[in-house]
Amino acid sequence: GAVVSQHPSWVICKSGTSVKIECRSLDFQATTMFWYRQFPKQSLMLMATSNEGSKATYEQGVEKDKFLINHASLTLSTLTVTSAHPEDSSFYICSAKGQGGYTFGSGTRLTVV
Amino acid sequence: SQQGEEDPQALSIQEGENATMNCSYKTSINNLQWYRQNSGRGLVHLILIRSNEREKHSGRLRVTLDTSKKSSSLLITASRAADTASYFCATDGANSKLTFGKGITLSVRP
Repeated sequence: GAVVSQHPSWVICKSGTSVKIECRSLDFQATTMFWYRQFPKQSLMLMATSNEGSKATYEQGVEKDKFLINHASLTLSTLTVTSAHPEDSSFYICSAKGQGGYTFGSGTRLTVV
Repeated sequence: SQQGEEDPQALSIQEGENATMNCSYKTSINNLQWYRQNSGRGLVHLILIRSNEREKHSGRLRVTLDTSKKSSSLLITASRAADTASYFCATDGANSKLTFGKGITLSVRP
């Protein structure tokens, strides 16, 4: 079946630094990739939608200068959290959409100290 | 923004019992999907039901869809302790992206 690999699975970083999260579709080409954020005991909130070779579309209230998304190929999208602060600590999940539907990565636990 | 609203928000049952979870949504959809998430982990796709379908089965799962009421239900029969997880409904609509409900926490007591 379709597999999406997300790395790293967890990361701890210092306040003010940047963190990059990768999302790869391993055995299919993803026309669209999505980035979600999930706070403890809450649902997944869509942050942005990215299509290969074009700028990401951000949901209302999501700072595009803080959450940089690059979708350089049909199999790779990256989310960079710039100048991270403790309030950015969260669980980030990517999803790739292919012909078979949506496939989710295993998530990245980001802790900013 | 969130589309689906599940109820109950938390459900605790005994192993062997059936668990029923409901989801309501607001806008028109192409399909509705149910996912499971174990604590701190990614999402596992359970079942998809299209807007022109009313009921679907997969193993111990049964999902129904009532587009006139904009609601869906997920039934897990003969629950097991391993079914303990959070369950989310997600709608796939005209904007071609999944929008998730708030989720239901299911606890199955051994």
